[in-house]
Amino acid sequence: LAKTTQPISMDSYEGQEVNITCSHNNIATNDYITWYQQFPSQGPRFIIQGYKTKVTNEVASLFIPADRKSSTLSLPRVSLSDTAVYYCLVGDLYNNNDMRFGAGTRLTVKP
Amino acid sequence: AAGVIQSPRHLIKEKRETATLKCYPIPRHDTVYWYQQGPGQDPQFLISFYEKMQSDKGSIPDRFSAQQFSDYHSELNMSSLELGDSALYFCASSPRDRVRRTEAFFGQGTRLTVV
Repeated sequence: LAKTTQPISMDSYEGQEVNITCSHNNIATNDYITWYQQFPSQGPRFIIQGYKTKVTNEVASLFIPADRKSSTLSLPRVSLSDTAVYYCLVGDLYNNNDMRFGAGTRLTVKP
Repeated sequence: AAGVIQSPRHLIKEKRETATLKCYPIPRHDTVYWYQQGPGQDPQFLISFYEKMQSDKGSIPDRFSAQQFSDYHSELNMSSLELGDSALYFCASSPRDRVRRTEAFFGQGTRLTVV
């Protein structure tokens, strides 16, 4: 399993763009990169997944360099409601069912 | 849209008692995952099931067991409860989908308190 490393915490202000980087040096060829968001006392919620280059959906963008050893989640114009813990996961649920969370990044958005 | 349903939402047990947590996955999802999350901690993967068979095992104590039934619902059985078992227990489900291959859906969790 590829281990992931993320910053423990980040602070931002409303309206700013936030970029959270995750390192996964041992990512396997078949692995995808996925980000989840978790609010206190709630289950994690899927944000975005990607394999390479750039992926964008209605809430975030995911940038993955060619070597795939890291990835960056980009949240445009954050609001107070984006205050949460963000987790980067590496794996492939199509071929195995081992979905482990590492230490996430606690994002605090200030007014 | 249907979501993952967990029951009960809250459970209080005494030390050395047993507890059973239930999880009803989203219809047509064939994979179920169980997680334990202590206060201020990250979710810890316990165990997963695919098509009613145990698939992967994480840090699940020997006092815990789980299974997935023919209707795909899953139960986590916990015996000889300890104070340290107090936590939020999440269940998640996912379809085996080539496109949405890493997307899992989580329930609202069961808060277990052992006193």
